Amino acid sequence: GQQVMQIPQYQHVQEGEDFTTYCNSSTTLSNIQWYKQRPGGHPVFLIQLVKSGEVKKQKRLTFQFGEAKKNSSLHITATQTTDVGTYFCAGLWGTYKYIFGTGTRLKVLA
Amino acid sequence: DAGVTQSPTHLIKTRGQQVTLRCSPISGHKSVSWYQQVLGQGPQFIFQYYEKEERGRGNFPDRFSARQFPNYSSELNVNALLLGDSALYLCASSGRKDTIYFGEGSWLTVV
Repeated sequence: GQQVMQIPQYQHVQEGEDFTTYCNSSTTLSNIQWYKQRPGGHPVFLIQLVKSGEVKKQKRLTFQFGEAKKNSSLHITATQTTDVGTYFCAGLWGTYKYIFGTGTRLKVLA
Repeated sequence: DAGVTQSPTHLIKTRGQQVTLRCSPISGHKSVSWYQQVLGQGPQFIFQYYEKEERGRGNFPDRFSARQFPNYSSELNVNALLLGDSALYLCASSGRKDTIYFGEGSWLTVV
């Protein structure tokens, strides 16, 4: 079946350090979305990538979609304590089914 | 505008019972999806409905069923509850651009 893996599973960083999470799919994706979930909360949409090789930036966050549309990454520059949470990628398989990754839990130490 | 609303927010059920969870999508959104999120894992796709028709179903047993009403709200039903059904059940609505907006979820505990 379709699988989306994320690495690392956990990441602890000092405030001000950079952070990257990687997302890999076993199948080609129509698009990929990224979400942030705070402890006890629900996933909140961050961004959607559609095109092969696409790169998008949101302030300190940089998102990339691989050329083969099977992998993606999220990079945060100079992390802040407000970045704490679990980051999920979700790949669109077909036309309606989003397959969520396993998530990367980020902890930022002040 | 209100976001996706779900009810109830928390509930406790006994094994073998049945549960109904409710969801109202964002105004104007015709698509509703249901996801199950077990603690420590990513959301797992259960169903998607669009214009009251089921568009897709994930790998869940027939104990899980759903429907969408003419006003695009939706219900998720789970019969014969098992301990393993304890999870956060998320409803999401989407409009034209495939962006998914999640509700705050319904926390189900089966004892």
